[in-house]
Amino acid sequence: DSGVTQTPKHLITATGQRVTLRCSPRSGDLSVYWYQQSLDQGLQFLIQYYNGEERAKGNILERFSAQQFPDLHSELNLSSLELGDSALYFCASSVGSPDSQVPYYNEQFFGPGTRLTVL
Amino acid sequence: GENVEQHPSTLSVQEGDSAVIKCTYSDSASNYFPWYKQELGKGPQLIIDIRSNVGEKKDQRIAVTLNKTAKHFSLHITETQPEDSAVYFCAASKNDMRFGAGTRLTVKP
Repeated sequence: DSGVTQTPKHLITATGQRVTLRCSPRSGDLSVYWYQQSLDQGLQFLIQYYNGEERAKGNILERFSAQQFPDLHSELNLSSLELGDSALYFCASSVGSPDSQVPYYNEQFFGPGTRLTVL
Repeated sequence: GENVEQHPSTLSVQEGDSAVIKCTYSDSASNYFPWYKQELGKGPQLIIDIRSNVGEKKDQRIAVTLNKTAKHFSLHITETQPEDSAVYFCAASKNDMRFGAGTRLTVKP
């Protein structure tokens, strides 16, 4: 058990709908990362937050958004869902660094994932 | 941005043999190189990592080597066991993490 929790475990919805995935980081971790893993695909970095602020953006679609709340949990919102959005969505957390310009060793701990199926 | 390539995509070995997975990265500023193991239905789990000021690191049957000049790093698993069967991901990071496409390792009893 990594200490990172994600809910729900499974989500089935229809095209055009909107869903919210939730992540709680490990105790003490200030950084949260979101990844998408499609079938037989690697991990695609979506977005990172540090202590409530967006820190880095990856291959995140405009239909997707995220935020990190004062209690450090994070939500990933997916809207206007398409069939191709079906995937595993992972959240990871790390201690992070207050200075985005200072290199740090960001060992990330992954949650169990949310499996999204769009029908 | 960083681009990580990983080879091979699949690897099948006999129990007891060694397995080697190789990755290359593009951003010379990357300074942290973790390896993750993902079992079916689970999230990736960190198994070993190496930092850019170190050339080699070993943890029991697992070792990682880093060649900064050539921008490549490798995972070595010795005396493989069936429970080593999983998908392995390499990653390179400066501030954000970029993953390789993964290697599906199968260890045959």
